[in-house]
Amino acid sequence: EPEVTQTPSHQVTQMGQEVILRCVPISNHLYFYWYRQILGQKVEFLVSFYNNEISEKSEIFDDQFSVERPDGSNFTLKIRSTKLEDSAMYFCASSETGRGATDTQYFGPGTRLTVL
Amino acid sequence: GDSVTQMEGPVTLSEEAFLTINCTYTATGYPSLFWYVQYPGEGLQLLLKATKADDKGSNKGFEATYRKETTSFHLEKGSVQVSDSAVYFCALSGGFSGGYNKLIFGAGTRLAVHP
Repeated sequence: EPEVTQTPSHQVTQMGQEVILRCVPISNHLYFYWYRQILGQKVEFLVSFYNNEISEKSEIFDDQFSVERPDGSNFTLKIRSTKLEDSAMYFCASSETGRGATDTQYFGPGTRLTVL
Repeated sequence: GDSVTQMEGPVTLSEEAFLTINCTYTATGYPSLFWYVQYPGEGLQLLLKATKADDKGSNKGFEATYRKETTSFHLEKGSVQVSDSAVYFCALSGGFSGGYNKLIFGAGTRLAVHP
């Protein structure tokens, strides 16, 4: 069964460093998402992406964050200058269409980011 | 804005016990409602969904009914197994202020089932 994959599973970085989290969505999917979960808190929406541009972003997704689909398979989340509060589990998801609420988002296993 | 509230865990049950995990929501418009499950070391998997009032979603013995009058979407299973041990997330999408296709999640409820 097709699945969303994410690498690395765990990333440790120093405060102020740039990190890139990588995702490979399901191959025929057109909509891509990033969510994060700070330990002990809710899963929060960060950004959605369609047709090579951001379709929606949350207030969390400030200028330190960016997303890119550099080729036909990868979808990346870059954090330019990491802060301690960026430590969280980051989930990538994809959906076949963006038909709003009736479409199903498939999630990857997550990347745990630890900022020291 | 739109939000989801779940009962706090952990919920600890013996095998074959009845499970209820409460979920209520606040939303404008007509959201769709979802239950996702996260098994240890894995990502979030869709368990079931309901897209309009009075719909019942079901999968793997789990059920939830979209109750607009009580703004609830409680998850139930008649007889849990050890393999159901996981974290369960209630979520909504599509309310007017919730954004058209982003998911808004509850805090998650950890279920532990003992033999």
